[in-house]
Amino acid sequence: EDQVTQSPEALRLQEGESSSLNCSYTVSGLRGLFWYRQDPGKGPEFLFTLYSAGEEKEKERLKATLTKKESFLHITAPKPEDSATYLCAVQGYLSQAGTALIFGKGTTLSVSS
Amino acid sequence: EAGVTQFPSHSVIEKGQTVTLRCDPISGHDNLYWYRRVMGKEIKFLLHFVKESKQDESGMPNNRFLAERTGGTYSTLKVQPAELEDSGVYFCASSQGASRGIQYFGAGTRLSVL
Repeated sequence: EDQVTQSPEALRLQEGESSSLNCSYTVSGLRGLFWYRQDPGKGPEFLFTLYSAGEEKEKERLKATLTKKESFLHITAPKPEDSATYLCAVQGYLSQAGTALIFGKGTTLSVSS
Repeated sequence: EAGVTQFPSHSVIEKGQTVTLRCDPISGHDNLYWYRRVMGKEIKFLLHFVKESKQDESGMPNNRFLAERTGGTYSTLKVQPAELEDSGVYFCASSQGASRGIQYFGAGTRLSVL
């Protein structure tokens, strides 16, 4: 069964303290891995998509990487405005749900100044 | 460009009543998905439209849920009759392509069944 596990569930950082979020996945043929950011009361906001092992994407203080079994979201020198829940999702070629996304529970990041 | 819009943002109903949620996708997006997040759980897929056709409804929990997408534009999700376990946040997403397409999400409808 296709599955996504994110860790840690919650992460508290000081402003400027770099860290990484983990997303482990099991999927029948990976079409793509997606990272979203979700703020309270809002819908998931697209950040990155990765398609093959070894691929990396960057945007401001965020960098996403992908291996055959997991993805990392690296946050460099975070600011309080980076506080949010970060969601990882996969899309598989042979998934029961077709092209739907399979989500993890998310990592809630809090950055204090 | 307008994003995915969902109405209402919050709905409170009693068990046994009917509720209809609406989703307006990004203009030109043929693919429309409905998802649901129940408290404490991950976001889960409900169904997928391509234009006006149901491509996949394997995630629909039971026959109390009915989704439509007339004319291939906006979509509605009706719950009738609502049960307590239907409470949660219902998200709609749309994409241009299905395979590898980026799905853009609405803000969601929070449904509370009392």
